[in-house]
Amino acid sequence: QKEVEQDPGPLSVPEGAIVSLNCTYSNSAFQYFMWYRQYSRKGPELLMYTYSSGNKEDGRFTAQVDKSSKYISLFIRDSQPSDSATYLCALRNSGGSNYKLTFGKGTLLTVNP
Amino acid sequence: DVKVTQSSRYLVKRTGEKVFLECVQDMDHENMFWYRQDPGLGLRLIYFSYDVKMKEKGDIPEGYSVSREKKERFSLILESASTNQTSMYLCASSFLSRSSRETQYFGPGTRLLVL
Repeated sequence: QKEVEQDPGPLSVPEGAIVSLNCTYSNSAFQYFMWYRQYSRKGPELLMYTYSSGNKEDGRFTAQVDKSSKYISLFIRDSQPSDSATYLCALRNSGGSNYKLTFGKGTLLTVNP
Repeated sequence: DVKVTQSSRYLVKRTGEKVFLECVQDMDHENMFWYRQDPGLGLRLIYFSYDVKMKEKGDIPEGYSVSREKKERFSLILESASTNQTSMYLCASSFLSRSSRETQYFGPGTRLLVL
């Protein structure tokens, strides 16, 4: 079983739609959860950071973590064409090699005007 | 704002050439990383460094070496480039602190084509 599974998509939605992006993981040692956004031909940029179960909201973006189910989600409300990008989940554990991030393979999202 | 810069955005090299990719960060980060990103394979860690002159192998170190002579600079070296090293190379940096809020910041990437 892979450490992190992320649906690669591609996902295509109309402008204004609610988008749900998801990752599942198998290692309960993961305690910190991130979402990165990567525009075409650019480096990933940190979008959201969470470390506990529950929801964290930042503008149109909501990150949700369910540690009991080992499931994390990123919701985008009122999606815009500028949200078109690849979204990567990244997980980190709390001890040992705590510098190392484990990435999902990314989901390609296209928001159509 | 954290800034991670990479020496080249695009690079074309021939098989067998020695290739240097340079990365510089301006946030006094201890940790620096080199990844490659390929379609369907995601981000894979090649090497990382947690201090000057210190390095550790990542998941796919074969065919690569690294150098960290100064804290702000981390170089990736392809000793003898091969076509299967054609990829997007991404550098990242972070603090060494075990602070729960610490994460990695990425450069813009270098697209390397080996002919």
